[in-house]
Amino acid sequence: LAKTTQPISMDSYEGQEVNITCSHNNIATNDYITWYQQFPSQGPRFIIQGYKTKVTNEVASLFIPADRKSSTLSLPRVSLSDTAVYYCLVGAGGATNKLIFGTGTLLAVQP
Amino acid sequence: DTAVSQTPKYLVTQMGNDKSIKCEQNLGHDTMYWYKQDSKKFLKIMFSYNNKELIINETVPNRFSPKSPDKAHLNLHINSLELGDSAVYFCASSQAAQGAYEQYFGPGTRLTVT
Repeated sequence: LAKTTQPISMDSYEGQEVNITCSHNNIATNDYITWYQQFPSQGPRFIIQGYKTKVTNEVASLFIPADRKSSTLSLPRVSLSDTAVYYCLVGAGGATNKLIFGTGTLLAVQP
Repeated sequence: DTAVSQTPKYLVTQMGNDKSIKCEQNLGHDTMYWYKQDSKKFLKIMFSYNNKELIINETVPNRFSPKSPDKAHLNLHINSLELGDSAVYFCASSQAAQGAYEQYFGPGTRLTVT
């Protein structure tokens, strides 16, 4: 199982770009990299997923270097409402390669 | 429309009781999951069903028994509740079991065992 390592917490201010990096040194060939966001008292919510290079959607970008041993979630111009826990997951899913949620990164956005 | 719903949202009960949590998804997904999130916010998978068949069964006490009557429902029965079972339980679903498919989570059920 691919293990992920993220910072436990990060602080930012409104309007800044935030980059959260996740290390996954033993990522397998068929593993995807997925990020989820969780607000207090809610279930996690899918943000973005990628396999290699760069992926961008309406809320975030995901940068994956060629060796895929790390990935960076980029949140442009954060607001107070982006304060949440962000989880990086690596895996192919299924019974033999379960997706494992790590401890996540608590992002605190201040005014 | 609620994609993944759970009932009840809160559940307070005494040690030794038996309780159930229900989950339903209206997304037409094939795969459903149960997760447990403890007080330290660590989210751990417990079970996963694909087309009503159990595909993931983590190291969970056999007091926990999932039941999937059909693809849209995955219920969790807990017998002889213990203090350590207190946590938030999340149900989730995905189109398939592979990691390429995002998981949709329910709002959670906060279980408190006294």
